Amino acid sequence: GDSVTQMEGPVTLSEEAFLTINCTYTATGYPSLFWYVQYPGEGLQLLLKATKADDKGSNKGFEATYRKETTSFHLEKGSVQVSDSAVYFCALGSGTYKYIFGTGTRLKVLA
Amino acid sequence: NAGVTQTPKFQVLKTGQSMTLQCAQDMNHEYMSWYRQDPGMGLRLIHYSVGAGITDQGEVPNGYNVSRSTTEDFPLRLLSAAPSQTSVYFCASSSGRTNTEAFFGQGTRLTVV
Repeated sequence: GDSVTQMEGPVTLSEEAFLTINCTYTATGYPSLFWYVQYPGEGLQLLLKATKADDKGSNKGFEATYRKETTSFHLEKGSVQVSDSAVYFCALGSGTYKYIFGTGTRLKVLA
Repeated sequence: NAGVTQTPKFQVLKTGQSMTLQCAQDMNHEYMSWYRQDPGMGLRLIHYSVGAGITDQGEVPNGYNVSRSTTEDFPLRLLSAAPSQTSVYFCASSSGRTNTEAFFGQGTRLTVV
């Protein structure tokens, strides 16, 4: 079945450091790929998405590229801020209403 | 611009009690779902609905019931709460159109003692 694997956390970085959170997937067909962010005490918010191979999703300085050849959708940001501290979830959308989530990666950014 | 609204935000139950978690969306979305979030396990699908009157089981349905009498509402019922149901519960909705994302509520933190 479809699945998403993302790197274990927590990830601790200093402010202005470069961020990469790895995400790989297994799916039949051509899923859409998403990154969600969860701030403390809140629900999940869509951060970015990509709907086909080689698409790059971007938002708030974060980027991820849909790589079909490596079945990956790694999240990157060039310079993290304390306010980016949160849990990040990689997800795939299979069909019109089915979503599979990774286990989440907690990011802590230190001032 | 409410989106997906869940109530309550926090709840403490005694083992064996029943309760209903409420979820409502105002986006006219066909698809609604309930997830539970546990440490190290990500989000696991409990039940989902693809439209009014249609529900189905997800990955972890035992101990939970759902119904979908209207497009807007999708309540989750715990029939006899157990400590293993201590978790954070999220309701989500989506339009059902290809390549669209799910929208989440703020969550309900449930503790069963």
